[in-house]
Amino acid sequence: GQNIDQPTEMTATEGAIVQINCTYQTSGFNGLFWYQQHAGEAPTFLSYNVLDGLEEKGRFSSFLSRSKGYSYLLLKELQMKDSASYLCAVGLFSGGYNKLIFGAGTRLAVHP
Amino acid sequence: GAGVSQSPRYKVTKRGQDVALRCDPISGHVSLYWYRQALGQGPEFLTYFNYEAQQDKSGLPNDRFSAERPEGSISTLTIQRTEQRDSAMYRCASSLTGTYDEQFFGPGTRLTVL
Repeated sequence: GQNIDQPTEMTATEGAIVQINCTYQTSGFNGLFWYQQHAGEAPTFLSYNVLDGLEEKGRFSSFLSRSKGYSYLLLKELQMKDSASYLCAVGLFSGGYNKLIFGAGTRLAVHP
Repeated sequence: GAGVSQSPRYKVTKRGQDVALRCDPISGHVSLYWYRQALGQGPEFLTYFNYEAQQDKSGLPNDRFSAERPEGSISTLTIQRTEQRDSAMYRCASSLTGTYDEQFFGPGTRLTVL
């Protein structure tokens, strides 16, 4: 079976740094994706890691350790607009395409 | 178009009726995916198309659910004899290929079965 775990909710202060963790146990692995989803909106792509290490993209960074089945999303200099759900998804390459299995998401609330 | 579009945005139907949900992917995108998303959960995979070929329908809950993409562009997800448990947000997504690139999600169709 496929299992992806991430905290349900987190709170943080504007201007601070927050780390959202994701652990996974899946039959197969072809990359770890992070998506952002504001309330009532569609998920939008943030990052993709297929090799171990840190990928930095502006205020957002994502880390992957395949041996530990672990990833995190790091958000720096938090802004109020970062209040959203953050979805961790594992790619499973099957039949010539990458099937995404999503976690339940972490709801982040940023306070002034 | 600029992004993935879906119609209708909201659909209320009575139990036992059939519904058809439409997805218009980004022009040129080969891959198309259908998901179902419950409130407070991540998207749950339903089915995948590569051009017009339905290559994976392992996530369709039962045989009341079907999908097609006859010309490799617009796709329709059909639910026959709807039941209250079918109420959910149905989203489609498209990607340029099916391998390592990001998926672009549509706004979804909120289905309510009374």
